[in-house]
Amino acid sequence: QKEVEQNSGPLSVPEGAIASLNCTYSDRGSQSFFWYRQYSGKSPELIMFIYSNGDKEDGRFTAQLNKASQYVSLLIRDSQPSDSATYLCAAVPGGYQKVTFGIGTKLQVIP
Amino acid sequence: GAVVSQHPSWVICKSGTSVKIECRSLDFQATTMFWYRQFPKQSLMLMATSNEGSKATYEQGVEKDKFLINHASLTLSTLTVTSAHPEDSSFYICSATPQGRTDTQYFGPGTRLTVL
Repeated sequence: QKEVEQNSGPLSVPEGAIASLNCTYSDRGSQSFFWYRQYSGKSPELIMFIYSNGDKEDGRFTAQLNKASQYVSLLIRDSQPSDSATYLCAAVPGGYQKVTFGIGTKLQVIP
Repeated sequence: GAVVSQHPSWVICKSGTSVKIECRSLDFQATTMFWYRQFPKQSLMLMATSNEGSKATYEQGVEKDKFLINHASLTLSTLTVTSAHPEDSSFYICSATPQGRTDTQYFGPGTRLTVL
């Protein structure tokens, strides 16, 4: 069983729309959750992290966490073509530093 | 802040040779560094966790004698791929956790290894 699951996509949205990226995790003890963006051939870059249930906003990005449902999401408002990338969801199992990554969702923003 | 560098960015080598990849945290000290491998269209796969001054912890299925890791200081970890084979060709990425924190990893730019 995969520990962090994501739909690989691609998810296509028109420019200016809201992109919604979803992720589920299996370890109920997971404490910290991260969203990374990875452009093709490049290393991942951290977008946001979230620890507490609810929403966390940073600019055009909003991370949502529901620990009861073991569900994490990332919303990107006013999507731009430059947002086209693969978005990796990651979780840190309880008590450990090791980060477990999902396979990533490829996002395509259509001009 | 929180910059991690890797060297080299690209390396091409002949089968049977060894390749060393360096990972440096430039503006922070990192007690823990991680080494990942990523094959095309696949997610990051953790290879090993490297702690300064101690032996690395390898993930299941990763040969520790083939992938030698040395975390010599709080700012440097090295991965040596010994007796490289074409199937070792991949994108190798390191990450580092700032000292005193356990919640965030900052990634290096990655090293593209091609074994001929």
